[in-house]
Parts: sequence; structure tokens; C-alpha cells
Amino acid sequence: EVQLWESGGGLVQTGESLRLSCEVSGFTFRSFAMSWVRQAPGKGLEWVSSISGSGGTTNYAESMKGRFTISRDNSKNTLYLQMNSLRAEDTAVYYCASQGGSGTFHEMDHWGQGTQVSVSS
Amino acid sequence: QSVLTQPPSVSGAPGQSVTISCTGSNSNIGAAYDVHWHQQLPGKAPKLLIYTNSNRASGVPDRFSASKSGTSASLVITGLQAEDEADYYCQSYDDSLSGSVFGGGTKVTVL
Repeated sequence: EVQLWESGGGLVQTGESLRLSCEVSGFTFRSFAMSWVRQAPGKGLEWVSSISGSGGTTNYAESMKGRFTISRDNSKNTLYLQMNSLRAEDTAVYYCASQGGSGTFHEMDHWGQGTQVSVSS
Repeated sequence: QSVLTQPPSVSGAPGQSVTISCTGSNSNIGAAYDVHWHQQLPGKAPKLLIYTNSNRASGVPDRFSASKSGTSASLVITGLQAEDEADYYCQSYDDSLSGSVFGGGTKVTVL
């Protein structure tokens, strides 16, 4: 059974940093791209960042470029999202999702339960 | 403003059919990138419903079907049931953004 478990969320002040983690099990982690998707209160899903199976290709939504860094440790089956210079508008539930292939264009086929990030001004 | 456009809400009586549209452009759906659909039940994480335009994910009943044509896609729910009340999101990939894109979501209400 595929399982994804996010951790690392919390309440921080504007300008501070957080590092989210997503531990996965049930599939060959290194063979699949991974993504972070967020959902602000009462809003829809917003893609944040993706990383290829090897980690060699990363993509970011425009508003996250330069502030967020996605990475993965294939030996630990873990995905990360380092978030710096956090803003109030980054407040959201952050989901990690596995993708259906090694490329970042594939469907997001499994989702974690989400971790809450709240940024206070 | 989402890159993919969906109606904010649709509704239908039990047993009826509803259709959710997802309109993109030549940099995403029109560029031959596949469309996928996700269901988000109230208070839950999203779940993959349809992948690669028309394939049902494991365990998804055949009441759910989807298709893609040109720069648009659609999801059809036939024989609407109370448990289908949820938010539905289309997802694709965008060349100009070099990343995934979502529709704004459609809330399905069973009357």
C-alpha cells in the first residue's frame, strides 16, 4: 500500500523559515517524480514545486521561485520542501503527492494527508 | 485566476448526470498534455479520480467518465449519488510555466 506522510508544518512569523518533509512507502521512490501542492483556507489546489525521480530536474511556481527549495533523499524515501522568507499568503495546507512516472508532467496519483503551515504577520 | 478554467459549481438530483468542464490553452491541454481529475471530499486530502484523460483510477466506479478534446476536457458523473458531493479539480502540465496546473475546482452538490 502506498503511503505518504508529511511533517514539519507549524506556526511561524513573517520572514521565518520552515522545512517540510514527506516520508513515503509502498513504491520504488527513486523511480517517480514528486510534487508539493498547497491549499489556502477555502481556496483551490495550487501547485508549488516538482522534482524528477533522480532529483536532477526541479520546477517551481513563479511566486515560490527563490524562496522555496525542493529536494529528495532517495536513500531515505523522503521528499523535502525548504521554505524561506515566508509570507502571510503562504498560509495553507501543504500536500506532497507522488506522480505516475519519473517526469514531472505525470498525474499526481497518491496524496499525503497534508501539513498545516500558518504564517503570522 | 487559475490557468485551467472550471465552473465554480454544478448540481443535480440523485440519479441525474452532471458535467464539469475544464478549459485550457495551447500551452497546456492544447499542447497534447494529458488531463487528470481529482476528487476532494470535505475535510479530506485530494484523491486521483481519472488519469491520462479518460482512465479511471483504481476503485473508481464507472459512473465517472472523462474525455479530452482540443484545449478542453470534461468529467461526467452519471447516476449521481450523495457521496459524490465533493470538490473536483482538473490537472495538466503547462509548457510556458514548466509545471503542473490545476483548475479552480468545481463543487458538486447533490440536491
